[in-house]
Amino acid sequence: GESVGLHLPTLSVQEGDNSIINCAYSNSASDYFIWYKQESGKGPQFIIDIRSNMDKRQGQRVTVLLNKTVKHLSLQIAATQPGDSAVYFCAERGSGNQFYFGTGTSLTVIP
Amino acid sequence: DAGVIQSPRHEVTEMGQEVTLRCKPISGHNSLFWYRQTMMRGLELLIYFNNNVPIDDSGMPEDRFSAKMPNASFSTLKIQPSEPRDSAVYFCASSVTGGGTEAFFGQGTRLTVV
Repeated sequence: GESVGLHLPTLSVQEGDNSIINCAYSNSASDYFIWYKQESGKGPQFIIDIRSNMDKRQGQRVTVLLNKTVKHLSLQIAATQPGDSAVYFCAERGSGNQFYFGTGTSLTVIP
Repeated sequence: DAGVIQSPRHEVTEMGQEVTLRCKPISGHNSLFWYRQTMMRGLELLIYFNNNVPIDDSGMPEDRFSAKMPNASFSTLKIQPSEPRDSAVYFCASSVTGGGTEAFFGQGTRLTVV
């Protein structure tokens, strides 16, 4: 029969605009979260992380927000650039140092 | 450091053949992870090791899959016999156990079983 792939959420933004990518995680006991960026043909690359005792963390052009009440993470990218086009994953760390990944969001930046 | 090194980058094999994927973690990292990425299931954790010891292999899909880590600088993922549905990109990642440290990924091995 016909195979059905994951429905990957997509986000298209104009170059220079801000992007917000959302993620729901599953385990309320997770203590550490990471956002990864994956470009075509490459492995996931670390963008920014946050520990469960924090609500917000900022990096260069990126900010991660953590809402433990609703088990929600978001990644904000300021002044989005064409090089930001990729698939973005959130990952939560399990009790044994392993990482579990979300479905991913495909970001396309329109020049 | 060269990062996590995986080989081969691409593998095409016939159904029924044995496939061995290789990984060299970053020196000093004591956790190693094998992931599989497909359109159907996304990024799945297959197995992970801490200090060369397999901790959780519940993600390994079938007995046809096995993984070893004979020393701190080398790990293999073997599929025997391979099937077309094993076609995927397989990633190895490594990290330092504990603390706020991310997993670093290799470039992946794209496996095609025909």
